[in-house]
Amino acid sequence: AQTVTQSQPEMSVQEAETVTLSCTYDTSESDYYLFWYKQPPSRQMILVIRQEAYKQQNATENRFSVNFQKAAKSFSLKISDSQLGDAAMYFCAYRSWRKLVFGKGTKLTVNP
Amino acid sequence: EAEVAQSPRYKITEKSQAVAFWCDPISGHATLYWYRQILGQGPELLVQFQDESVVDDSQLPKDRFSAERLKGVDSTLKIQPAELGDSAMYLCASSVPGSNLYEQYFGPGTRLTVT
Repeated sequence: AQTVTQSQPEMSVQEAETVTLSCTYDTSESDYYLFWYKQPPSRQMILVIRQEAYKQQNATENRFSVNFQKAAKSFSLKISDSQLGDAAMYFCAYRSWRKLVFGKGTKLTVNP
Repeated sequence: EAEVAQSPRYKITEKSQAVAFWCDPISGHATLYWYRQILGQGPELLVQFQDESVVDDSQLPKDRFSAERLKGVDSTLKIQPAELGDSAMYLCASSVPGSNLYEQYFGPGTRLTVT
């Protein structure tokens, strides 16, 4: 079964600084997709960024970028120029044809 | 912008009582998901619908949980009887079926507390 591991239960960053959230996954499949979701307090979960496993180029969405290392099964999220609104739970997720599997999440605190 | 609607937002119930949650997906989204998110963990899929048909309910505790999507639009998740361990956030999500690139859109969730 596929598993997703987020080894950092909590992280903090100063406003305007950069932070990297870690994620590793375990799978024997070759075709899959990886996602980072953001869940602000008392608000719905939203997709931050996605990566197709067959693409070598790392995905980027404005201040959010990923470092996808397929051989190492690693998928980290980098947030640049952190803003107060980035404070949230961040979930790494793996998707094959079957279903979406989430990690346990990393709580990000942004300090002013 | 279209959103997934869920109600109620919060529910407190006593153990052994019945409880029901409602979800209205984004219009046109044929795939609907119910997730359970225990505090401090990521969401876990309970059941997935494609239109009105269940395509995955392998993690649904069928002795007490049931889900339906009779007309292939909105959906209801029921727990009867509720147990203390059912306290969690229940999330509904919807998507357009197709490639794995499709994004799941999540609702705000129903926070269930069983006393």
